Amino acid sequence: GIQVEQSPPDLILQEGANSTLRCNFSDSVNNLQWFHQNPWGQLINLFYIPSGTKQNGRLSATTVATERYSLLYISSSQTTDSGVYFCAVEDTGFQKLVFGTGTRLLVSP
Amino acid sequence: DSGVTQTPKHLITATGQRVTLRCSPRSGDLSVYWYQQSLDQGLQFLIQYYNGEERAKGNILERFSAQQFPDLHSELNLSSLELGDSALYFCASSVVHPGGELFFGEGSRLTVL
Repeated sequence: GIQVEQSPPDLILQEGANSTLRCNFSDSVNNLQWFHQNPWGQLINLFYIPSGTKQNGRLSATTVATERYSLLYISSSQTTDSGVYFCAVEDTGFQKLVFGTGTRLLVSP
Repeated sequence: DSGVTQTPKHLITATGQRVTLRCSPRSGDLSVYWYQQSLDQGLQFLIQYYNGEERAKGNILERFSAQQFPDLHSELNLSSLELGDSALYFCASSVVHPGGELFFGEGSRLTVL
């Protein structure tokens, strides 16, 4: 099945800093989503981005499907950005959404 | 609020017991997915239904079963529970499959003692 790798595994930032999270995947995909899991366990949709670039406030994402990677940019980070960021992809073969292992982000004041 | 409703939010039970987790998808969504998140396994796909029919199966144990009813709500049944079944169980829904955007409920946290 498809492999999804996220980097870095852990990230510690000062409030106000910028960061880039990366997601590499091993095969063609129908769907790619970024999620934020907050400290209460909720999985919050950030982007549905099988290709191209999208922006939502301080967050933006870019997926280059031909090169099998996606990037999530967080600018001017806030303490509320803390949590785990997951990339999930749906491979064209098995048609199930496969999650990466996540990037754990801690933003300190 | 994603629009996906899961009940119960928390559940504590004993080994050997059986529980049922319930999921109501977003209005208009035909696909329902179940995922398990345990501390050492990350988010694992269990099973998916589309308009009442099973469409994809992951590493779902034989002790677990699920179904999607005509009103599109879904139930995940977990039986002969073991300590290792303690986890957060998520339901998600999407309008289309494949390729649809998934929206997740808040999860049901199961603790097996």
